[in-house]
This record gives sequence, structure tokens and C-alpha cells, in this order.
Amino acid sequence: NAGVTQTPKFQVLKTGQSMTLQCAQDMNHNSMYWYRQDPGMGLRLIYYSASEGTTDKGEVPNGYNVSRLNKREFSLRLESAAPSQTSVYFCASTLRETQFFGPGTRLTVL
Amino acid sequence: ELKVEQNPLFLSMQEGKNYTIYCNYSTTSDRLYWYRQDPGKSLESLFVLLSNGAVKQEGRLMASLDTKARLSTLHITAAVHDLSATYFCAVARGWGFGNVLHCGSGTQVIVLP
Repeated sequence: NAGVTQTPKFQVLKTGQSMTLQCAQDMNHNSMYWYRQDPGMGLRLIYYSASEGTTDKGEVPNGYNVSRLNKREFSLRLESAAPSQTSVYFCASTLRETQFFGPGTRLTVL
Repeated sequence: ELKVEQNPLFLSMQEGKNYTIYCNYSTTSDRLYWYRQDPGKSLESLFVLLSNGAVKQEGRLMASLDTKARLSTLHITAAVHDLSATYFCAVARGWGFGNVLHCGSGTQVIVLP
């Protein structure tokens, strides 16, 4: 039981490049989330998926797209990366009230 | 808009002394969470508080919730170095919102000998 896994752990992009952050959970959770964390700040929600087949925007969705591929996987795509997207990205999943977080992806956009 | 404010944002503690971190939130919430984050690491769940008057304790940490005052406290008893970390509170509303967390900015705790 690996919990919530994320790949990659680190990534450096140039402005304008695209990439997809992968997230998977093996706990059979319905809801999954993507957050970003900037220095000295808490988490801000980018997108979430309350159940397989549905996605909704969070607080800071601009510049991102998501795909809930199946119940296990929820990916986050940056189509044209910008320096403002330099951040640490956390994926989470939840069953009822408990949220479980992945280890994070540290992304730098130059 | 649901806002969550923590204070203090930074707390330097002396080993053996007691301290409290405060978390205020702006609108009715159904659940309040406390998380711990070590530098460069993910968030570790400490407590989930579900009702007014709820109190939970684990080791030197105790969390309480007053929904009428929209206030939660995280009390640290006899601080030790291992408790150095950043502590976040977060709230969530209902189930129709998909259990989305609204986080505070975090309280960075350093415990000095």
C-alpha cells in the first residue's frame, strides 16, 4: 500500500514548455486534489475531482488543466509554463474527512 | 470566501515550556484539520476536529475547537526539539464541496535548547 504517489519529484522547465505531473493513489479514494504551495504560504487548491469522471476548478486554476484518468490517477498539466508557476505541487486524496498527501513535486520554471 | 488565519506565523520556543497556536476562520466550517510539515516534506495529518468542543491529544500536542468563536487552538506542552516544524490549520465545509481544504499560512515553530 503506497498511499499517494507523485512523479516526478523535481522538475526544471523553461518558460513556455509543457509538462504533466502524475498522481496516483491505491486507497480506492473517490476524491483527489491538486494544491500548490508557495514559500511561506499554505496550500492553495488548483483543481479537484470529487469522483471519477468529474473535475472542478479551485482557487488558482489559471494556466493548468487536469485529467481524472480513472479512480486511481489524477494528472495536472501545464500547457505553457510560466515563472509564476514555480512552486511545490501536492496531490491529495480523501475518503470522508481524512486527506492524505503525496510527497510533492518541486517545480522550477526559468 | 472562507479565510483562515493563524497566529503567530513564527514561534520560537524554549524546551520545556508551553505554547499555543491559534487558528481563526471566517465562515461556518464542518471540519478543522491540523497538519505538520517538516522542511522539504509533505504534510502529515495530526488531528481532525469535527464538532464544537472537540478536543484531541497526541503526545505533547492537544487541539481544540470552538465553532461558535470559529477558533481552534493547538497547544504544545513542554516543547522538545523534535516538535520543530511548520504547523498548518485548515478547514473544510460540507461534503458537496468535495472536502476541499482552505489552509492557513502556517506557523513556523523552532524549539531551542
